Amino acid sequence: GEDVEQSLFLSVREGDSSVINCTYTDSSSTYLYWYKQEPGAGLQLLTYIFSNMDMKQDQRLTVLLNKKDKHLSLRIADTQTGDSAIYFCAETEAGSYQLTFGKGTKLSVIP
Amino acid sequence: NAGVTQTPKFQVLKTGQSMTLQCAQDMNHEYMSWYRQDPGMGLRLIHYSVGAGITDQGEVPNGYNVSRSTTEDFPLRLLSAAPSQTSVYFCASSYEAGSNGAAFFGQGTRLTVV
Repeated sequence: GEDVEQSLFLSVREGDSSVINCTYTDSSSTYLYWYKQEPGAGLQLLTYIFSNMDMKQDQRLTVLLNKKDKHLSLRIADTQTGDSAIYFCAETEAGSYQLTFGKGTKLSVIP
Repeated sequence: NAGVTQTPKFQVLKTGQSMTLQCAQDMNHEYMSWYRQDPGMGLRLIHYSVGAGITDQGEVPNGYNVSRSTTEDFPLRLLSAAPSQTSVYFCASSYEAGSNGAAFFGQGTRLTVV
């Protein structure tokens, strides 16, 4: 079955770049998403990438996709304390509504 | 637009009690789903619906029932609560599969079963 793996914790200093990594096993994954969850809140969609893309940039966020290695990363430039949250990687197949989530990476930003 | 609204935000149940978690969306989304979030487990799909009158099981459906009588509402019923159902429950909806299928999530219901 599908599996999405993420490291559980990441700690960075304010102003540095953060890189959160994700690997997935389903070769038919078509859309890959990054969600942010702040304490006590629901999940907020940050960005997504289609599997035929290598990179997508959106302001401070850069998503890189290595389809051969089934590796996805989220880079946050100039990380701020407000970026402290849990970040979830998720994938779905073409034509499917169902999302498979990783366990989430807790990002801690040190002032 | 309110988006996805879940009620209640917090609930404490005794073992064996039943209750319904409410979820409503005002975006006319066809797809709705329920997830539970447990520490270190990420989100796991409980049940989902691709439209009014159509529901199906996800990864962890045991102990839960759902129905979808309208596009807007997708309640989750706990038939006989157990401590193992202590969790944070999220309802989500999406318009279509694929790039626009990104799910919009409610704020969650934190359930404790004692």
